[in-house]
Amino acid sequence: DAGVTQSPTHLIKTRGQQVTLRCSPKSGHDTVSWYQQALGQGPQFIFQYYEEEERQRGNFPDRFSGHQFPNYSSELNVNALLLGDSALYLCASSLVEGFFTDTQYFGPGTRLTVL
Amino acid sequence: AQSVTQLDSHVSVSEGTPVLLRCNYSSSYSPSLFWYVQHPNKGLQLLLKYTSAATLVKGINGFEAEFKKSETSFHLTKPSAHMSDAAEYFCVVITSGTYKYIFGTGTRLKVLA
Repeated sequence: DAGVTQSPTHLIKTRGQQVTLRCSPKSGHDTVSWYQQALGQGPQFIFQYYEEEERQRGNFPDRFSGHQFPNYSSELNVNALLLGDSALYLCASSLVEGFFTDTQYFGPGTRLTVL
Repeated sequence: AQSVTQLDSHVSVSEGTPVLLRCNYSSSYSPSLFWYVQHPNKGLQLLLKYTSAATLVKGINGFEAEFKKSETSFHLTKPSAHMSDAAEYFCVVITSGTYKYIFGTGTRLKVLA
């Protein structure tokens, strides 16, 4: 059973460029969340997608956008990259279980470096 | 508002001795709480979770945590540390009805031979 997969593993961009990160959820999961983890810090919630719509968003600017496809996979797009966007980007998948809190399973992350 | 505080940024223990990683939470409603571990250059692995069932939660690799509502704590323990336990540990809180995990700042566990 494949877990959460992310691509690419590493990415180097320059300021002002745009980047797209990809995530495939764990088999059977229908919800994808994205997190940003700066060096030495805990992950910060960016947003969550369910049924191809953004369900909740954290305190990130509109430069951060996403998409979920019918097969539940997801993309994170970041426009006009800043040096401060350099971080490990983590994708997590979960399965909506009614009123119960979903347990999120994390992928290995994409390391983005902005020069 | 939800928040979580990990009281120690670094913890060092000798192999074979007990581990205690401390976490306090703040939540307006009944929280769910998790502990995740992150090994270097790896993603986050779920150790255990509390979702209002038994207050003593057993996880993988011999870890367990106890939910204490009166103390708003969810400390992680292990009776005997192993070298392979060296990693970063994150305490996470989420309130029912919301979807975002709130992470603590992490505790780096060092295990000495």
